[in-house]
Amino acid sequence: EDQVTQSPEALRLQEGESSSLNCSYTVSGLRGLFWYRQDPGKGPEFLFTLYSAGEEKEKERLKATLTKKESFLHITAPKPEDSATYLCAVQRGATNKLIFGTGTLLAVQP
Amino acid sequence: NAGVTQTPKFQVLKTGQSMTLQCAQDMNHEYMSWYRQDPGMGLRLIHYSVGAGITDQGEVPNGYNVSRSTTEDFPLRLLSAAPSQTSVYFCASSYSGGAGEQFFGPGTRLTVL
Repeated sequence: EDQVTQSPEALRLQEGESSSLNCSYTVSGLRGLFWYRQDPGKGPEFLFTLYSAGEEKEKERLKATLTKKESFLHITAPKPEDSATYLCAVQRGATNKLIFGTGTLLAVQP
Repeated sequence: NAGVTQTPKFQVLKTGQSMTLQCAQDMNHEYMSWYRQDPGMGLRLIHYSVGAGITDQGEVPNGYNVSRSTTEDFPLRLLSAAPSQTSVYFCASSYSGGAGEQFFGPGTRLTVL
């Protein structure tokens, strides 16, 4: 059965304190792995797509990486505005469905 | 562009009532989908559509109906509301023809008493 597990459930950082969020997955024939950001009371906002092991994508203070079993979202020198829930999702080949993890709630304190 | 719009933002129903959640997008996206989000459960796919006239079930379709008569609109119907359908509902659309890079609407918070 396809499964996505995110850890930790919650993470509190000081401004400037770098860290990583983890997304481990079990899926037959990965078509893509996706990261989204969700602010309270709003819909998720797309961040990155990763297609194959070894691939990396960067956007401002965020960098997403992918291996055959997991993905990491690295946050370098975070700012309070990076506080949000980060969601990971996978798409199995030949399907049009996403399977989401339960997210990591990130709080960055000034 | 307005992107993906959803109405209403909030709704309270009594058990057994029916209603339709509206979703529209103005980006000419072929793929549209409905999710529900519950605490500790993550986003779960209810129904999706890869184009006008084509719909399919997601992970949790029971109790919900959809239709796609135009590219722009993808309404979600609750036939007979139950307390278990209390949730936040998100509509999303994608230009890629697949499910991955989706644009989400602002959500509808539904409470069933």
